[in-house]
Amino acid sequence: DSGVTQTPKHLITATGQRVTLRCSPRSGDLSVYWYQQSLDQGLQFLIQYYNGEERAKGNILERFSAQQFPDLHSELNLSSLELGDSALYFCASSEGRDPYEQYFGPGTRLTVT
Amino acid sequence: AQRVTQPEKLLSVFKGAPVELKCNYSYSGSPELFWYVQYSRQRLQLLLRHISRESIKGFTADLNKGETSFHLKKPFAQEEDSAMYYCALSGEDSSYKLIFGSGTRLLVRP
Repeated sequence: DSGVTQTPKHLITATGQRVTLRCSPRSGDLSVYWYQQSLDQGLQFLIQYYNGEERAKGNILERFSAQQFPDLHSELNLSSLELGDSALYFCASSEGRDPYEQYFGPGTRLTVT
Repeated sequence: AQRVTQPEKLLSVFKGAPVELKCNYSYSGSPELFWYVQYSRQRLQLLLRHISRESIKGFTADLNKGETSFHLKKPFAQEEDSAMYYCALSGEDSSYKLIFGSGTRLLVRP
């Protein structure tokens, strides 16, 4: 167990809908990263937050947004969902002292029908 | 541009055979390189980091800057090693985000 938690484990929704994925980092970790794992795109970095501030953006669609709250948990919001958004969404966290080592959560499997 | 290439989608070996999972990278500076393992679509687990030079579960990986490679090796494969293995790179900016290769599925047959 990495100490990173994600809810929900599974999410099934319809096209056009909006969902929110939640991540709680390891205790003391300030950075949260979101990654998308899909069959066609593989593992892709979406966005990173550090201590409440957005630090880096990857291949994140404009329909997607994220935030990190004062208690350091993070939410990834996906809107106007399309079939192609079906994927496993991972959250990872790291600490300020050693930012290179990221610890991954179990992921949220999103299925868009 | 940063890029990680894992040329093999699937590597199938027999138990006890040596294993080498290939990873090549493209990076202009000094990269941090990692191997992550994922069992049955579970969470990714950090297996190795190049600067630690440790051997985890019998696996080792050496960074070859001349060949821009970071191949993962194990002298004697075990059935429990069957999993997806991802090579990843970090470091061009202050975000420390990971750039992953496409992954190699290792199948160790009895």
